[in-house]
Amino acid sequence: AQSVTQLDSHVSVSEGTPVLLRCNYSSSYSPSLFWYVQHPNKGLQLLLKYTSAATLVKGINGFEAEFKKSETSFHLTKPSAHMSDAAEYFCVVSPFTGTASKLTFGTGTRLQVTL
Amino acid sequence: DGGITQSPKYLFRKEGQNVTLSCEQNLNHDAMYWYRQDPGQGLRLIYYSQIVNDFQKGDIAEGYSVSREKKESFPLTVTSAQKNPTAFYLCASSIMGKDQPQHFGDGTRLSIL
Repeated sequence: AQSVTQLDSHVSVSEGTPVLLRCNYSSSYSPSLFWYVQHPNKGLQLLLKYTSAATLVKGINGFEAEFKKSETSFHLTKPSAHMSDAAEYFCVVSPFTGTASKLTFGTGTRLQVTL
Repeated sequence: DGGITQSPKYLFRKEGQNVTLSCEQNLNHDAMYWYRQDPGQGLRLIYYSQIVNDFQKGDIAEGYSVSREKKESFPLTVTSAQKNPTAFYLCASSIMGKDQPQHFGDGTRLSIL
């Protein structure tokens, strides 16, 4: 069985300050992990993915995430927040399978960016 | 540009009525998925399909039906048996395999009249 827990339902930061969105996962096997972003009334867009090649993963729009097996964490960070980063962020785990990608989604973290 | 097209963007259902949500992709992906999104919750899988003329139930399939007659198309019908259909519905597709991310459409918002 697999699961993912996003530790904060809402995070508020000032523009120009660092962003940290926390995610812990549980998986019986070595998982693939993803972060997606969703703007209001839109679909989800892939930010980055971890597939065991490197523990520090760089994504689009300056985001990155570090896979820490000992802590079962995959936190998303960005050095400096921009107003356009305000959105909902989902941490997602994919099981070890060669078939269709059945994903398990976290409940989301809403990022608010203030001036 | 390749992508996933969902239509309509907004849909209203009357009591006792079935409605069908459209999902078309031109990414040549084998796998397609339907999710339901409710406020404050993550996405929940309704149905998925790995190949034409075959599909599997997800976690919340009751009250929904799908078909996969063409690789590009995966329509979802919300039947009258679904008692709480108001939600945001997202369609996705992917290449088969463990590390493959899913690509999403922009969703259909279904409401009850």
